[in-house]
Formats: sequence, C-alpha cells, structure tokens
Amino acid sequence: DTAVSQTPKYLVTQMGNDKSIKCEQNLGHDTMYWYKQDSKKFLKIMFSYNNKELIINETVPNRFSPKSPDKAHLNLHINSLELGDSAVYFCASSHMHEQYFGPGTRLTVT
Amino acid sequence: AQTVTQSQPEMSVQEAETVTLSCTYDTSESNYYLFWYKQPPSRQMILVIRQEAYKQQNATENRFSVNFQKAAKSFSLKISDSQLGDTAMYFCAFMTPNTGNQFYFGTGTSLTVIP
Repeated sequence: DTAVSQTPKYLVTQMGNDKSIKCEQNLGHDTMYWYKQDSKKFLKIMFSYNNKELIINETVPNRFSPKSPDKAHLNLHINSLELGDSAVYFCASSHMHEQYFGPGTRLTVT
Repeated sequence: AQTVTQSQPEMSVQEAETVTLSCTYDTSESNYYLFWYKQPPSRQMILVIRQEAYKQQNATENRFSVNFQKAAKSFSLKISDSQLGDTAMYFCAFMTPNTGNQFYFGTGTSLTVIP
C-alpha cells in the first residue's frame, strides 16, 4: 500500500534522448510536486500542481514538462537529456500541510 | 523571499548521546508550518516532525523534539539517545499555505552517529 510511488527507480540513458518518469499517489492528496536532488543533496523544487494550477520554478529548463492525466498522477517528461540532468528526482504529494515523498528516481545521463 | 538556512553541513554524535541540529528561516507570512525530514542512505525522504507556527508548544515525536523560537525564526531539532539508524541527512523545511502550498527546504545537515 505504497503512498507515493515512482517508476522507474533507476534510469540510465544517453544524451539527447527523451524520457519520462511516472508518479502516482493513492493518498487522495490535492497537490503534487517534482523535486530535483543533485549530487550535493540540494533539494530543488521544479513544479507543483494543484487543482490544475501549475506552478513552475522559473529556473527549470523548458525541456522538462509535467503532465497530469488525473489528480493521482503527475508524470515528468524530459526532452533532449543533458549530462547535467543526472540527479535523483523525487515526486511528492501534500494535503493539509504535510508532504510525502516517493522513493526517488536516480537518472544517469551518459 | 522565503529561505531556510542550515548552517551545519555535517555533524556527528556518539551513540546514546543527544545532538541538536540548527535551522533558521525567513518568511513574511504569519501562517506557516515547519518540518524536519530525514533522508537515510536508502534516499527515502521521511517526515520526522512537524510544527504549526501558531502553536507555542514545541512538537515532540518520541526521541525527536524541536525548539521553535518564532521571534528568532529558529527551528532546531533535538535527537535524544541517538541510535545508529539516525545516521542520515536531515532537512529543515517550511510551507506557507498562502503561496500555493510551496515547500522550502534547507541545504541539509549530514548526521553521523558513531558507535
């Protein structure tokens, strides 16, 4: 009964490819997020999505795009992958001022 | 601007001892919530403790407690009777409902519990 799940957990791909990471939450939460954690463990918000309102961190390249088919899912699409995109990506969801994270997806771009 | 500062990149503590992790934040909002998250080597982000800014009483969860000083915008985490399983990265965070439920995280403190 995983609360926030992500697939895949590991993703290795080459530069220039397009990839997607899926996220699903079964908590009935209203808001979902994507974070990027770099090699220094800095956690950076990329997007949040609440009731069809998308809030984008302005520093995120437009190669990254979130897509939400329904309230329980927020997938992350990345086009033209670059070496600097290598990181751990976390999906999270929140309701009533508590946020819960998925297990993370380690993306390695070679 | 909403910011969180964790001034201790790394800390260590002997098993069974007590350690305090520091966190300061800055916000102009009056309504907000504060959190400590733990990230062990497994990389899972785990919510440790949460504090509502409108509550004066410090939150406690078993061996974990906070010292919340609202005027000073300080939110430290105390871990008592440290255990080897407490070895992890700890992130301080706050959330402001009035800014679209955005969460703001500090840069983390890496805690090592020494046997």
